[in-house]
Amino acid sequence: EPEVTQTPSHQVTQMGQEVILRCVPISNHLYFYWYRQILGQKVEFLVSFYNNEISEKSEIFDDQFSVERPDGSNFTLKIRSTKLEDSAMYFCASSGRRGYSGELFFGEGSRLTVL
Amino acid sequence: AQSVTQPDIHITVSEGASLELRCNYSYGATPYLFWYVQSPGQGLQLLLKYFSGDTLVQGIKGFEAEFKRSQSSFNLRKPSVHWSDAAEYFCAVGVPTGTASKLTFGTGTRLQVTL
Repeated sequence: EPEVTQTPSHQVTQMGQEVILRCVPISNHLYFYWYRQILGQKVEFLVSFYNNEISEKSEIFDDQFSVERPDGSNFTLKIRSTKLEDSAMYFCASSGRRGYSGELFFGEGSRLTVL
Repeated sequence: AQSVTQPDIHITVSEGASLELRCNYSYGATPYLFWYVQSPGQGLQLLLKYFSGDTLVQGIKGFEAEFKRSQSSFNLRKPSVHWSDAAEYFCAVGVPTGTASKLTFGTGTRLQVTL
């Protein structure tokens, strides 16, 4: 069964460092998302991406964050200068269809720890 | 803005017993409603969803959920729990006017199953 894969599964970084989280969505999907979950809190929407541009983003997704699809398979989330409060589990998701008619398929998550 | 409340952080049931996980949402109209499950080390998997129509929704793994507009609830049920159902369960709501799958999640309920 096709699945969304994320790397790394866990990354530890120093505050102020740049981090790139990578995702390989399901191959024929067109819509891509990043969500995050701070420990003990809710899973929160960060950003959606379609046709090589951001479709929607949340207030959390400020100038420190960026996403891109550098090739035909990867979808990355970059945090330019990490802060302590960026420590969280980051989930990538993809969907084959627009909006809520399409099921979101989530990856296993990348845990980011900022020291 | 929409919100989701899952009042139970942790529930323990015996294998074979029935299960009900509570979910209450806040939104001015009828939202799109979802239940996701996350097993240890896995991504979020969609159990079932409600968009419209029959208020009793059947999902995978023998789960069902009932949408009750008067109570703003979308509780998840299973008549007989299996040990493999031990996981974290997330209720989520989506706003029909959205184009992205910008879900708002609850904080989750961790289910423990005793043998």
